[in-house]
Amino acid sequence: AQSVTQLGSHVSVSEGALVLLRCNYSSSVPPYLFWYVQYPNQGLQLLLKYTSAATLVKGINGFEAEFKKSETSFHLTKPSAHMSDAAEYFCAVSEGPGSARQLTFGSGTQLTVLP
Amino acid sequence: KAGVTQTPRYLIKTRGQQVTLSCSPISGHRSVSWYQQTPGQGLQFLFEYFSETQRNKGNFPGRFSGRQFSNSRSEMNVSTLELGDSALYLCASSQGTDTQYFGPGTRLTVL
Repeated sequence: AQSVTQLGSHVSVSEGALVLLRCNYSSSVPPYLFWYVQYPNQGLQLLLKYTSAATLVKGINGFEAEFKKSETSFHLTKPSAHMSDAAEYFCAVSEGPGSARQLTFGSGTQLTVLP
Repeated sequence: KAGVTQTPRYLIKTRGQQVTLSCSPISGHRSVSWYQQTPGQGLQFLFEYFSETQRNKGNFPGRFSGRQFSNSRSEMNVSTLELGDSALYLCASSQGTDTQYFGPGTRLTVL
């Protein structure tokens, strides 16, 4: 069974500092991996996805993530945090095209950006 | 293109009642999935429909059901509501590729 672990339920960074949100997955087959962001009282917005092409994936709003098979990780980074990045971030995995419509989510990381 | 829409956005019910939530996918998307989000359990998969057929189901009791219409719109129904059913219910649509696009959700409160 696939699963996702997000280390750190709360992360605080200063404005302009590096953002690093950690995600580790387990999957019996090569996975599809996603990062979503959720702002208060809203749904989930796709930040980026990995689907077995380039291991370094660039997304919206300056975020990127690197797929590392040996570490079963898909950490999300952004070089310089902005106040508008404050939100909850979810890592998710699906096991491939056949079951791609069922996402398994991590527990989420609440990002706080300090002025 | 318009995004995924969900109605209503907020709903208050009492225990024992039933509720129906609606989801309209992005135009051209034939797959609709439903998720429940609670502070305690996080985001959990309920079920997925494609061309009016349920293809996949999560680990929820039979009180949770759904259906999809020929225009790909979907509804989910929860019967005999319990306090623990209070949650944000999210709908997501897909074009048949790997990416799911989410709606704003319906916030259900059970009193």
